[in-house]
Amino acid sequence: EPEVTQTPSHQVTQMGQEVILRCVPISNHLYFYWYRQILGQKVEFLVSFYNNEISEKSEIFDDQFSVERPDGSNFTLKIRSTKLEDSAMYFCASAETGALTNTEAFFGQGTRLTVV
Amino acid sequence: KQEVTQIPAALSVPEGENLVLNCSFTDSAIYNLQWFRQDPGKGLTSLLLIQSSQREQTSGRLNASLDKSSGRSTLYIAASQPGDSATYLCAVPGANNLFFGTGTRLTVIP
Repeated sequence: EPEVTQTPSHQVTQMGQEVILRCVPISNHLYFYWYRQILGQKVEFLVSFYNNEISEKSEIFDDQFSVERPDGSNFTLKIRSTKLEDSAMYFCASAETGALTNTEAFFGQGTRLTVV
Repeated sequence: KQEVTQIPAALSVPEGENLVLNCSFTDSAIYNLQWFRQDPGKGLTSLLLIQSSQREQTSGRLNASLDKSSGRSTLYIAASQPGDSATYLCAVPGANNLFFGTGTRLTVIP
């Protein structure tokens, strides 16, 4: 069964360092998302991406964050200068059609980011 | 802004019991609602997607219902098993994203 794949599963980084989280969405999907979950809290939306541009972003997704689809298969989330409060589980998701109004979103297993 | 709430936050039941998890949302103009399962430290596994035109959706021992007018959904788990222990999340779509509830942590005691 097709699945969303995220790497690495766990990343530890020093405060102030740049990190890149990688995702391979399901191959025929056109809409991509990043979410995060701080330990013990809700899953929060970060950004949605379609047709090589951001379609929506939350207030969490500030100038320190960026997303890219560098080739036909990968979708990345970059955090330029990590802060302690960026420590969280980051989830990538993809969907076949947009607006999530009539389609299911599929999530990856997550990358646990720990900033020390 | 859509607010999604799940009650109870945690639930413990003995193996074999039937149980109901609740999800409520403030904006009833939704197209669908999705239920997910999350194991500790793991990702989100989609369990059921119920469309606004449906009242119920079933998958194995799971049955989800949706009442848009009252802003509620329930996930019914029949004959619970220890392997059902996990956190269950509901989510409703916005224009380009999903709004998640806080989850119900279920423990099924053997």
